[in-house]
Amino acid sequence: GQNIDQPTEMTATEGAIVQINCTYQTSGFNGLFWYQQHAGEAPTFLSYNVLDGLEEKGRFSSFLSRSKGYSYLLLKELQMKDSASYLCAVSSDGGKLIFGQGTELSVKP
Amino acid sequence: EAGVAQSPRYKIIEKRQSVAFWCNPISGHATLYWYQQILGQGPKLLIQFQNNGVVDDSQLPKDRFSAERLKGVDSTLKIQPAKLEDSAVYLCASSLVGSGGYTFGSGTRLTVV
Repeated sequence: GQNIDQPTEMTATEGAIVQINCTYQTSGFNGLFWYQQHAGEAPTFLSYNVLDGLEEKGRFSSFLSRSKGYSYLLLKELQMKDSASYLCAVSSDGGKLIFGQGTELSVKP
Repeated sequence: EAGVAQSPRYKIIEKRQSVAFWCNPISGHATLYWYQQILGQGPKLLIQFQNNGVVDDSQLPKDRFSAERLKGVDSTLKIQPAKLEDSAVYLCASSLVGSGGYTFGSGTRLTVV
């Protein structure tokens, strides 16, 4: 079956670093995505990993280990506007995107 | 480039009524997806089209949901009759074949009362 797990919620302090983990078991793997979703809005693309290793993009980095079925999203220098839901998604058979339940991140002053 | 367009933005209906949502994908994107996102959960794939053919509709409740993509461009998703548990945001997304780049529309928030 298809299974993507991530923590339901996390809290962190403004200016700090937070790591959101994601583990997956899917039939087929064409890459792993991280999306940010603010309340009432559509998901917006953050990062894409298809090979093992770390991808860095400004304050956001994403890591993938295909052998372990594991990824994480690292957010540095947290800002209040980073409070949102973070969705881990795997591109599976036929290119369909399978999502985890999302991690609700609250950034406190 | 223009994004994925969806309408309406919000819809409130009574249970047992019918409703339809419309999606216009990014020009040239062959693959179109409909997702259902219940509050507090991640999006769940309902149906995937490639051009005007269905690739995957295994999680579409076919007794009440239907979708079509005539001419391989616009798509409509219909619910008939609606149930209370259909209250959710319905997201449309499109992508180029094999590109891995998915773009989401703003979604339609459906409330069934």
